[in-house]
Amino acid sequence: AQKITQTQPGMFVQEKEAVTLDCTYDTSDQSYGLFWYKQPSSGEMIFLIYQGSYDEQNATEGRYSLNFQKARKSANLVISASQLGDSAMYFCAMREGRAKDMRFGAGTRLTVKP
Amino acid sequence: DSGVTQTPKHLITATGQRVTLRCSPRSGDLSVYWYQQSLDQGLQFLIQYYNGEERAKGNILERFSAQQFPDLHSELNLSSLELGDSALYFCASSPTGEVGQPQHFGDGTRLSIL
Repeated sequence: AQKITQTQPGMFVQEKEAVTLDCTYDTSDQSYGLFWYKQPSSGEMIFLIYQGSYDEQNATEGRYSLNFQKARKSANLVISASQLGDSAMYFCAMREGRAKDMRFGAGTRLTVKP
Repeated sequence: DSGVTQTPKHLITATGQRVTLRCSPRSGDLSVYWYQQSLDQGLQFLIQYYNGEERAKGNILERFSAQQFPDLHSELNLSSLELGDSALYFCASSPTGEVGQPQHFGDGTRLSIL
């Protein structure tokens, strides 16, 4: 069964504007972690932000924030003040407490327009 | 720079051959993970090692094997290669492999089977 769903294959945003990338997940575990990674066209995977299932505050890292809605099982990534260098694939991932592997969504390709 | 080193960056070989991919984790990280990224399957977890011991297994084929050495570097061995094994192979590491620890990825080895 699909554990991580990213419904937006592609997104466009104007430079300096904010953008939200959607992610929903499916788990019956109480303990789990949610992650976002960025993959530029050069191919490397860059860790952006982490949210634990027991964290009460939404995670923030610089221009990245995670809009965590536990009841809806969503963990959307918000990028503020988009820059041209933000153009990349973005992957949402989850690691459940009892599982050992990390599951990734299919990704969203973000293009920032000048 | 994530601190995770993967070699080689590119590998071109033929069907039926065997290759070895190498990974050095970040300094201090005891846990190593291997992932395969292909166009049709997305990012798939293969296997995890912690301090030399296999900890978790994912969608790893029987033709593939891995190990983690006492100096904590890891190798992924792929044998009897098929065209479908062409993919980007990532190694990632984390301190102790706990759920809440982000995994930091290397730049990947791009494997092309001719």
